[in-house]
Amino acid sequence: AQSVAQPEDQVNVAEGNPLTVKCTYSVSGNPYLFWYVQYPNRGLQFLLKYITGDNLVKGSYGFEAEFNKSQTSFHLKKPSALVSDSALYFCAVRDGNNQGGKLIFGQGTELSVKP
Amino acid sequence: KAGVTQTPRYLIKTRGQQVTLSCSPISGHRSVSWYQQTPGQGLQFLFEYFSETQRNKGNFPGRFSGRQFSNSRSEMNVSTLELGDSALYLCASSSTLTGNTEAFFGQGTRLTVV
Repeated sequence: AQSVAQPEDQVNVAEGNPLTVKCTYSVSGNPYLFWYVQYPNRGLQFLLKYITGDNLVKGSYGFEAEFNKSQTSFHLKKPSALVSDSALYFCAVRDGNNQGGKLIFGQGTELSVKP
Repeated sequence: KAGVTQTPRYLIKTRGQQVTLSCSPISGHRSVSWYQQTPGQGLQFLFEYFSETQRNKGNFPGRFSGRQFSNSRSEMNVSTLELGDSALYLCASSSTLTGNTEAFFGQGTRLTVV
């Protein structure tokens, strides 16, 4: 069965410092991995995805994520956090061997960036 | 290009009633999926439609149903509402059915059952 784990409910970072939001996954086939961000009372905004190729993928707003097949991880990173990055972040996976768009989400990580 | 539009944004219903939520996907997108978001269960997949056909269904009771029209607009219906159905319902659209395309989400419909 497919699953996603985000081991940290909350991550606290000072503005200007690097940030990492962790994600590990489990799928039977090749993983298609996604990161989304949710601001209060809003839907989910797509940040970036890994399908194949380079393990480091770059996305919106300066975010990037590193795919590690051996550790089944897809951690979200940003070199310098902004207060406006404070939001709820979701990692999601699809099994690349199956057609269809069903996303399996992690429980979410609340990122708080303090000035 | 307009994004995914969900209506209404907020709903308050009484236990036992039924409700219909609407979703208009991004123009040209033929795949529409629905998710339920609650504090306890997180984001859970409800169902997916492509070209008016349900392609996939999550583990929800039969009270939850949906459909897609020829213009790709989708509706979901919940009958005999229960207090536990209170949630943010999110609709997402994709340009294809293949798994490597990202889904774009609407702002959601906040359903409160009292």
